[in-house]
Amino acid sequence: DIQLTQSPSSLSASVGDRVTITCRASQGMSTHLAWFQQKPGKAPKSLIYGASSLQSGVPSKFSGSGSGTDFSLTISSLQPEDFATYYCQQYATYPFTFGGGTKVEIK
Amino acid sequence: QLQLQESGPGLVKPSETLSLTCIVSGGSISSNDYYWGWIRQPPGKGLEWIGSVHYGGTTQYNPSLKSRVTVSVDTSKNQFSLRLMSLTAADTSVYYCARHPNCHVHTDCPFDFWGLGTLVTVSS
Repeated sequence: DIQLTQSPSSLSASVGDRVTITCRASQGMSTHLAWFQQKPGKAPKSLIYGASSLQSGVPSKFSGSGSGTDFSLTISSLQPEDFATYYCQQYATYPFTFGGGTKVEIK
Repeated sequence: QLQLQESGPGLVKPSETLSLTCIVSGGSISSNDYYWGWIRQPPGKGLEWIGSVHYGGTTQYNPSLKSRVTVSVDTSKNQFSLRLMSLTAADTSVYYCARHPNCHVHTDCPFDFWGLGTLVTVSS
């Protein structure tokens, strides 16, 4: 199985801050990585696939990068609606696996 | 717009079997382009993929659950189901159904549409 390690597990930031979350894979997986946003009591929402492609309707303040084993999600200017938990997911091989999540909180 | 809706019991006893159904509306489940999957999330914890099924019946399972899980599809009802046996308290989770592209056909196959989720509590 491919293990995904996200860091940090949580962070505090202010509105307007630039925030970067990283996801490291236990083995190379090209760009077969997605990012999700989850708010309390809600289902995850797809943000990015293919490591850097924005899902339809997702604002351009979200961006993804990376390939192989190291990936990142950046929010260019944090807004109140962005405070949530973010997960990476690999689909390079079965079983699909998720990172442990990064909770973005208001400072 | 595609919609997925989970249905099933909210409370199940230990050692019993959980059966959940996901009703798909706004699109056909009978497409070679997609698989239909189940993901769970224990309260306050992360996401775990359980398994996925193609409309033709081909399945993929998480090895950690494979001995207890069956995912099946009913194309006549445009729905798919999860069966999880020998439940323990550790199976208490929100269970989500979701769609992902067929990885044998598409380069990218992440989950793209999700149901709202249903909380299942395992307790006597």
